Amino acid sequence: KNQVEQSPQSLIILEGKNCTLQCNYTVSPFSNLRWYKQDTGRGPVSLTIMTFSENTKSNGRYTATLDADTKQSSLHITASQLSDSASYICVGGLFSGGYNKLIFGAGTRLAVHP
Amino acid sequence: NAGVTQTPKFQVLKTGQSMTLQCAQDMNHNSMYWYRQDPGMGLRLIYYSASEGTTDKGEVPNGYNVSRLNKREFSLRLESAAPSQTSVYFCASSTGQGADHFGDGTRLSIL
Repeated sequence: KNQVEQSPQSLIILEGKNCTLQCNYTVSPFSNLRWYKQDTGRGPVSLTIMTFSENTKSNGRYTATLDADTKQSSLHITASQLSDSASYICVGGLFSGGYNKLIFGAGTRLAVHP
Repeated sequence: NAGVTQTPKFQVLKTGQSMTLQCAQDMNHNSMYWYRQDPGMGLRLIYYSASEGTTDKGEVPNGYNVSRLNKREFSLRLESAAPSQTSVYFCASSTGQGADHFGDGTRLSIL
């Protein structure tokens, strides 16, 4: 069964601190691994997309890693800001039925406090 | 540059009523998608359209229909709303390599 599991479900950190969010995926045939940021009341916004041959990708203070052998990914946020408060969604992509099907995790809700 | 625009933003329906959720994108993307997001769950694909003139069922299509009116517009219709369809609905578009751009959603409550 294709599935994506994220941990922790929620996290509170102080402004300026770093944090790492985890993702375990079972997606076959694997195509890509994505991280999205979803602000409250808004749609998801893409942060990074990695194929199986990539093991790290950065987008500003966000750095995603991918271990295709262990089927794990992480999202590291450096020097957090209040605006980083959001849900972060891990997504596995696979080719199925002629299109790139996306399997969404339930998300990690991050709160950054001053 | 609006991206993906969804209307309405909020809607309350009674069981059995029908309605159409509208979605339009201005990025000239070929592929468009409808998802639903329920508490504690990941987004689930309802229907998708790989290109103008084609539509296909996703993971949870029962109770819904779609129309790809043209390259820009992709609508989702609930013919007879049920409480189980209370959810947040997201439209998305992409170049064909998976959803890249999402709208801000329609929050639908069915009483």
